[in-house]
Formats: sequence, structure tokens, C-alpha cells
Amino acid sequence: DTEVTQTPKHLVMGMTNKKSLKCEQHMGHRAMYWYKQKAKKPPELMFVYSYEKLSINESVPSRFSPECPNSSLLNLHLHALQPEDSALYLCASSQGILTKNTGELFFGEGSRLTVL
Amino acid sequence: AQSVSQHNHHVILSEAASLELGCNYSYGGTVNLFWYVQYPGQHLQLLLKYFSGDPLVKGIKGFEAEFIKSKFSFNLRKPSVQWSDTAEYFCAVNVRTGNQFYFGTGTSLTVIP
Repeated sequence: DTEVTQTPKHLVMGMTNKKSLKCEQHMGHRAMYWYKQKAKKPPELMFVYSYEKLSINESVPSRFSPECPNSSLLNLHLHALQPEDSALYLCASSQGILTKNTGELFFGEGSRLTVL
Repeated sequence: AQSVSQHNHHVILSEAASLELGCNYSYGGTVNLFWYVQYPGQHLQLLLKYFSGDPLVKGIKGFEAEFIKSKFSFNLRKPSVQWSDTAEYFCAVNVRTGNQFYFGTGTSLTVIP
């Protein structure tokens, strides 16, 4: 079991649809992340929120839009995706205490996205 | 730019064989080091971590790793692998006070019964 909860576990969407992925953690972590993972590949960093502010955007296309409503929640809004965006989307969190030690990443189980 | 290298892309071993997976990183500052494992169809799980102190760290399921600062390495070892160790293994590096984690390309381990 993981302490980072992601919904939905599976999502199929068309290229004109708008959908959202959700992530929640209750460990008091102040950093939250979105990663994209293709099969047999390492996770690729997409976004990092630190203290509820977007701190890193790894040049991700605007069809992916992150949102951090509060310190426990992280959303990824999806619009006009392409078939090549099909992947496992992983949410993670870490202590994120920048003056001390970020700690390790705790991963959710991921949302498997298929774009038709 | 920071990078993490895993030299073994695919490893096939028989049960009870010893395992060593290499991980090298390029970053001159203070880092945290991790090994994550991803079993088939499952999420990434932390195998072990090094923050400071004893450079030989022990993790779950009999795994250990040794941090050699002079070689910028953090190799993963297990004396005797089991079929259930079949998985993808990822080395990761994090700047101690930063929020970026850099992952290696991963090693696919297959253990034959």
C-alpha cells in the first residue's frame, strides 16, 4: 500500500476530451510531483509544486495543466491530448523542506492513461 | 548538467546468484541517493536510501548499497537473489535541499528459477 492516493487508476480518453487526474497525500509533505512513465523507462519529471507553488515545469506542453489546491492535493488537467501521451502518470510527494532535507519520494500507484 | 548512469540495462540471473547493479552520478554537491524498485504491474517502491553517515546502507528484502564518494557511485547488491526479485531497478539522486530527483535509465532484472 502507498500513502499517496491517485485516481482514477485507469483512464481512456479521446483527443478532444477534457479530464483530470487527482492525487492526495496526508503525510504533511510540502513538495508534490507529477511524473510520466512509459513502459520499461524511468519516470520523467513533469512538474514540481513546493509549498503549493509551481517551482519546476520541465517544458511540458500546455495540454497538461497542473493545479495544487492545497498542500494535500495535486491535480493534473488534461485537454486535447495526443496518442503519444498515453503513459502511466505518477504522483509523488516528499518532505520538501528546502532548508534541511527534501527526503525521499513517495509514489502513488499511478493513473494509466490511454489516449485514442 | 546532473546525470545518473546505470550501466546494466538487462540482467538475467539464476536463483541464489549474487547481484550487483552499478549506479554512477555526476554532481559535485551534497546529494541523497536512492534505489527504487518497480515489480511488474506495481508502483515504484523505495528499496533503500542514503542521506549521510555509514556509507553501507541496508534496505528491504536483503538489499544493500554502498556509497563511494570518490567514485560518485552507489551500487546495489544482494548476496542471493530470488525469483521474486524480478523487477525494474532505478537509481535516483537528489540534491539535498532541492526538489529535483534525477533517475537513471533503469535495469531490468530477470531471475530464473
